[in-house]
Amino acid sequence: GQSLEQPSEVTAVEGAIVQINCTYQTSGFYGLSWYQQHDGGAPTFLSYNALDGLEETGRFSSFLSRSDSYGYLLLQELQMKDSASYFCAVRDPQAAGNKLTFGGGTRVLVKP
Amino acid sequence: DAGITQSPRHKVTETGTPVTLRCHQTENHRYMYWYRQDPGHGLRLIHYSYGVKDTDKGEVSDGYSVSRSKTEDFLLTLESATSSQTSVYFCAISDPGLSEQFFGPGTRLTVL
Repeated sequence: GQSLEQPSEVTAVEGAIVQINCTYQTSGFYGLSWYQQHDGGAPTFLSYNALDGLEETGRFSSFLSRSDSYGYLLLQELQMKDSASYFCAVRDPQAAGNKLTFGGGTRVLVKP
Repeated sequence: DAGITQSPRHKVTETGTPVTLRCHQTENHRYMYWYRQDPGHGLRLIHYSYGVKDTDKGEVSDGYSVSRSKTEDFLLTLESATSSQTSVYFCAISDPGLSEQFFGPGTRLTVL
């Protein structure tokens, strides 16, 4: 089976940096994904790490350490619009069809 | 945005009635998924399809059935709705070789 742990909530001010950690336990591993979801909206894909290291996409970066079963999403230069929930997810390599298991989500609240 | 629609977007029904939710895509993606989202539980997979007429159960499949008779449509049926099935339901799509899933706008279902 697959299980993922991430903090339930993080609060920060505009311009700050936030790191959302995700630890996972899986029977196999293809990669770690991150999704963003604003209140009332649908989840949208942010990033995917299949190999160890840091992937940077603008103000957001994602890191993976396969040996530690750990990854994080780094949000830099926080803006009010970054207030949202962020989910990590792993793919089940033993299932057909890009099946994902999601963590419980981290709610990020950005304050002025 | 990926062409995914869900219908209805909102529904209120009574315990014991059958309910069918529809997911329609115009992207010709092979994989389709149904999730439910409840506070404190993140996104949980109900059923998914890895091809026409090929479906499999997710982690919370009890009380739900699905059908996929053509590429573009994936139906989720609650044979006899219960109050515990009050939730927001998201459909998602993906394709071989993609690392991401694209989500529909969601359906808010209330079972009284």
